[in-house]
Amino acid sequence: DTAVSQTPKYLVTQMGNDKSIKCEQNLGHDTMYWYKQDSKKFLKIMFSYNNKELIINETVPNRFSPKSPDKAHLNLHINSLELGDSAVYFCASSHKDRASGYTFGSGTRLTVV
Amino acid sequence: GESVGLHLPTLSVQEGDNSIINCAYSNSASDYFIWYKQESGKGPQFIIDIRSNMDKRQGQRVTVLLNKTVKHLSLQIAATQPGDSAVYFCAEITTGTASKLTFGTGTRLQVTL
Repeated sequence: DTAVSQTPKYLVTQMGNDKSIKCEQNLGHDTMYWYKQDSKKFLKIMFSYNNKELIINETVPNRFSPKSPDKAHLNLHINSLELGDSAVYFCASSHKDRASGYTFGSGTRLTVV
Repeated sequence: GESVGLHLPTLSVQEGDNSIINCAYSNSASDYFIWYKQESGKGPQFIIDIRSNMDKRQGQRVTVLLNKTVKHLSLQIAATQPGDSAVYFCAEITTGTASKLTFGTGTRLQVTL
């Protein structure tokens, strides 16, 4: 199936730990994104990468470090997790030159305890 | 700052009736406006988009209307079905190197039998 797939789907961890979320797309898109959805369902962009190059960094704390080994993968590493990091994180991809039609993964629910 | 927002947080509609979900936006420079549907436990799913130089676009059972004079966007769903129950987001995008999809706050559509 063509899709954006992210793992894990659920992640429960203690404050202060370091964790990673992985994302892969097989749609042939050249741009990938990370979005954060809070408890009120508000979706906000965190990062975007185009062909492994960082394009957008929306004033996210530097505890969050995205890494794109190739244009089909965009991973998110989070250091020193805090309670406020609890949210659902969505990976997405699109063609850079196509304005709409982002494809989203099914999300990773991160709970920091 | 620029924002995309919704008037109604929850909309209840009887099965078979038409649904109208509204959205106000403030960024006049947006190139596209897009509607997404998010079902429980899933990522946002693209429904329909409209270019900023259009005022109406129809899809299968859905119609998007854009009124640039009052900066208003709406999604009409004909013959609403139980499967339409979800959270709906309007979003906007401005093309360019740092293009990003900016979401509104979401409306929950509940379809009653």
